[in-house]
Amino acid sequence: GENVEQHPSTLSVQEGDSAVIKCTYSDSASNYFPWYKQELGKRPQLIIDIRSNVGEKKDQRIAVTLNKTAKHFSLHITETQPEDSAVYFCAASDGNNRLAFGKGNQVVVIP
Amino acid sequence: DAGVIQSPRHEVTEMGQEVTLRCKPISGHNSLFWYRQTMMRGLELLIYFNNNVPIDDSGMPEDRFSAKMPNASFSTLKIQPSEPRDSAVYFCASTLMGGVEAFFGQGTRLTVV
Repeated sequence: GENVEQHPSTLSVQEGDSAVIKCTYSDSASNYFPWYKQELGKRPQLIIDIRSNVGEKKDQRIAVTLNKTAKHFSLHITETQPEDSAVYFCAASDGNNRLAFGKGNQVVVIP
Repeated sequence: DAGVIQSPRHEVTEMGQEVTLRCKPISGHNSLFWYRQTMMRGLELLIYFNNNVPIDDSGMPEDRFSAKMPNASFSTLKIQPSEPRDSAVYFCASTLMGGVEAFFGQGTRLTVV
């Protein structure tokens, strides 16, 4: 099955700086790549997603890029704010709708 | 719609006891996922169903774990017998097939002592 890996596991940034989280996936059949944010004690929630026919997608301060050839995709958060502190999960979904997650990245925004 | 509903929210049980976790997906969703979350392993996919049929249960750790989806509005995850290493937060999520947003329930925090 699909194997999704995330790195770094923990990322600390100064408020206002940018944060980048990278993920790799193994199954070339995967065609949908969402990113979820999980605040402490809460459920994961979708923040942005991208499909395999698109290379980049932006939504205000967040963006996702996808490199299908290299099988990796990245989350970019610009002008970070304290409320961006959370665990971020990347995921990949194949044609059978199997949704596999990475282990998560803890992002800490330092005021 | 109230979203994905899981019960109970918290469960504390003794080792060796049977534990049943319940999930009601969002009405109309045809895929349902069970995940286990721990600090060490992150969000592990245990099993998922498409149209009430189990598609991939390769993530189920042992025979002690079983899951059912008798109809489109209800699923259970059972652990029998439970062990301390099963302690984790168990999430249920549902979505429409075809690669769209998956919605998570609030999770069940299981503690096996």
